[in-house]
Amino acid sequence: EVQLVESGGGLVQPGGSLRLSCAASGFTFSGFWMSWVRQAPGRGLEWVANIKDDGSEKYYVDSVKGRFTISRDNAKNSLYLQMNSLRAEDTAVYYCARRRGGGSWDYWGQGTLVTVSS
Amino acid sequence: DIQMTQSPSSLSASVKDRVTITCRASQSISSYLNWYQQKPGKAPKLLIYAASSLQSGVPSRFGGSGSGTDFTLTISSLQPEDFATYYCQQSYSTPYTFGQGTKLEIK
Repeated sequence: EVQLVESGGGLVQPGGSLRLSCAASGFTFSGFWMSWVRQAPGRGLEWVANIKDDGSEKYYVDSVKGRFTISRDNAKNSLYLQMNSLRAEDTAVYYCARRRGGGSWDYWGQGTLVTVSS
Repeated sequence: DIQMTQSPSSLSASVKDRVTITCRASQSISSYLNWYQQKPGKAPKLLIYAASSLQSGVPSRFGGSGSGTDFTLTISSLQPEDFATYYCQQSYSTPYTFGQGTKLEIK
């Protein structure tokens, strides 16, 4: 059974940093692109970042470029999102998701809430 | 960036109704269009990928069609568990973008 379990969310002050993790199981992690997608409270979905199966390519939405870094450790079946210089508008539930060929996401984690507030 | 526009934003319907949700892209995205269902407090669930392919395990009452800029999601006979919010998403180019969502409510 495919499982994605996020952790690392919490309350952080504006300008602060946080590192999210996503533990994957039930599939060959190194064979799939992975993504982070977020959802602000009461709002719609927003794609944040993609990383290629071997980690060699990374893509970001403009609003997080230079502040967020997506990475992965295929030996540990884990995906990460390092978030620096956090802003109030980064407050959201962050989901990790498995990206299938064609760019849809077929498996999602349960999400982890990040709250940026003083 | 490619803008995705869904209509309607909300919809009231009854069990067994046939429902159609539309999604329009600001430029051609071929068939790189996916549909998700989301229930409150839960992660999105993939329903349709590549505009018309049914994701494994999704009931056949869900169907998708379209190509280029105009797409539709159809639920042929609404069931109680289908009341949720539905999102379209383009995967033609990054940044991947979503429609604003369609909230399907019980009439």
